[in-house]
Amino acid sequence: ETTLTQSPAFMSATPGDKVNISCKASQDIDDDMNWYQQKPGEAAIFIIQEATTLVPGIPPRFSGSGYGTDFTLTINNIEAEDAAYYFCLQHDNFPLTFGQGTKLEIK
Amino acid sequence: QVQLQESGPGLVKPSQTLSLTCTVSGGSISSGSYSWSWIRQPAGKGLEWIGRIYTSGSTNYNPSLKSRLTISADTSKNQFSLKLSSVTAADTAVYYCARDAGAGAPDYWGQGTLVTVSS
Repeated sequence: ETTLTQSPAFMSATPGDKVNISCKASQDIDDDMNWYQQKPGEAAIFIIQEATTLVPGIPPRFSGSGYGTDFTLTINNIEAEDAAYYFCLQHDNFPLTFGQGTKLEIK
Repeated sequence: QVQLQESGPGLVKPSQTLSLTCTVSGGSISSGSYSWSWIRQPAGKGLEWIGRIYTSGSTNYNPSLKSRLTISADTSKNQFSLKLSSVTAADTAVYYCARDAGAGAPDYWGQGTLVTVSS
């Protein structure tokens, strides 16, 4: 089973900031990494697929990078609406596993 | 756009069976190259993938839950279901259903439903 170590668990940003969220896999997972955004009481939204590809309809201030074991979700020019819980998921091998999540607060 | 909605009892007694249903709208669960998953999140903890059912009816289960788990589908109602037997307090969580895209990972999620295991 692949363990995903996501950091930080919590972060606070100001509108206009750039933030990075890290997800490290315990073994090589190629580019089989997705990122999601979730707000309280709402369905999770799929934002990045295959490590680097922006899901259609997602603002271009979101981007993903990485391959193998180290992955990063970057949000440029943060907006107030980006306050949410973000999590990574690997689908390279069974069982699918998730990072512990990052709660992003906007000041 | 595909929408998923979980439903079922919010309270289950220990040792009983937890049963949830996911109703899908905006697309058929029996068509396309999709699979349909269950995922859960205990309070204060990370997400855990439970298992999935394919349009063929075949399933994949998380080994940690496999002995207690059944995922099935009712194509006539466009629903798929989860049954988890012999539950304990450790099964208390928000349960989500999701559609898996071609790459085998969720693209659409339900809002989730809280299930508490308590006497």
